[in-house]
Amino acid sequence: EPEVTQTPSHQVTQMGQEVILRCVPISNHLYFYWYRQILGQKVEFLVSFYNNEISEKSEIFDDQFSVERPDGSNFTLKIRSTKLEDSAMYFCASSEAGSLMGNIQYFGAGTRLSVL
Amino acid sequence: GDSVTQMEGPVTLSEEAFLTINCTYTATGYPSLFWYVQYPGEGLQLLLKATKADDKGSNKGFEATYRKETTSFHLEKGSVQVSDSAVYFCALSDPGGSNYKLTFGKGTLLTVNP
Repeated sequence: EPEVTQTPSHQVTQMGQEVILRCVPISNHLYFYWYRQILGQKVEFLVSFYNNEISEKSEIFDDQFSVERPDGSNFTLKIRSTKLEDSAMYFCASSEAGSLMGNIQYFGAGTRLSVL
Repeated sequence: GDSVTQMEGPVTLSEEAFLTINCTYTATGYPSLFWYVQYPGEGLQLLLKATKADDKGSNKGFEATYRKETTSFHLEKGSVQVSDSAVYFCALSDPGGSNYKLTFGKGTLLTVNP
């Protein structure tokens, strides 16, 4: 069964460093998403991406964050200068179409980011 | 804005017990509703969904009915197994608010003991 793959599973970084979280969505999917879950809190939407551009972003997704689909298969989330409060589990997801059609979002296993 | 409230955990049950995890929602439009499950060390997997009022989603013995009048989507299973131990997330997708994102509840940890 096709799956969304995320690497690394755990990333440890120093405050102020840049990190790139990587995702390989399911190959025929067109919509891509990043979510995060701070320990003990809700899974929160960060950004959605379609047709090589951001289609929606949340208030959390400020100028420190960026997304890119560099090569037609990978989908990356970059945090330019990490803060302690960026420590969380980051989930990538993909879907064939937008949620308006009730289509299913498939999630990766997540990357746990620890900012020290 | 949209929100999902689900029963606080953790929930601990014995095998073959009946499970209910409550979920209520607030949405600006007419949302689709989902239950996702996360097994240890894995990603979120869709368990079941319902896209309109009175629809019943079902999978692996789990069921949830979309109740518009009570804005609820409670998850039930008649007889849980040890293998059902996981975190369960209720979520909605609201075309009236956003066409794309899922709004999640906090998650409920279920532990089933033999």
